[in-house]
Amino acid sequence: AQSVTQLGSHVSVSEGALVLLRCNYSSSVPPYLFWYVQYPNQGLQLLLKYTSAATLVKGINGFEAEFKKSETSFHLTKPSAHMSDAAEYFCAVTFTGGGNKLTFGTGTQLKVEL
Amino acid sequence: KAGVTQTPRYLIKTRGQQVTLSCSPISGHRSVSWYQQTPGQGLQFLFEYFSETQRNKGNFPGRFSGRQFSNSRSEMNVSTLELGDSALYLCASSDVPGSLTLEQYFGPGTRLTVT
Repeated sequence: AQSVTQLGSHVSVSEGALVLLRCNYSSSVPPYLFWYVQYPNQGLQLLLKYTSAATLVKGINGFEAEFKKSETSFHLTKPSAHMSDAAEYFCAVTFTGGGNKLTFGTGTQLKVEL
Repeated sequence: KAGVTQTPRYLIKTRGQQVTLSCSPISGHRSVSWYQQTPGQGLQFLFEYFSETQRNKGNFPGRFSGRQFSNSRSEMNVSTLELGDSALYLCASSDVPGSLTLEQYFGPGTRLTVT
């Protein structure tokens, strides 16, 4: 079975500071990994995805993530936080043959302070 | 292109009643998935439909059911509502299921409150 663990349910950073949101996965087969963002009262928006091509994945809004098999990690980073980045972020996993069934982490609420 | 549409956006029901939620995928998309989001359990997969056939099902009781129509619109039904069914129900659409180069597009969700 596949699962993801997001360390830190709440992360607070200053505007302009580095954003680092952690995600570790567990999968018995090669995983496909995703980061989604959710703003209040909205659905999920895909930030980026790892589908076994490049291990460093660049997404929208300046976010990127690196797939590290040895560490079973897929951490999300952004060099400089902006107030508009305040939202909840979800890591998700699926696998070949899993169709569109995503298994989500518990989410990390990002707060950006002035 | 218009995004994924979910109706209604908000719904209040009483325990024991049943409810039907609707999802219209992005034009041309044939796969629809449903997720339940609650503060306690997080985001959980309910089921996935493609070409009117259920392809995948999550670990939910039989009170939760769904269907897909020939125009790819989907409905999910919850019978005999329980307080624990209060949640945000999200629908996602994509073109070909399992094609991982294609992303799933999520709707804004239907907020169901059971009293």
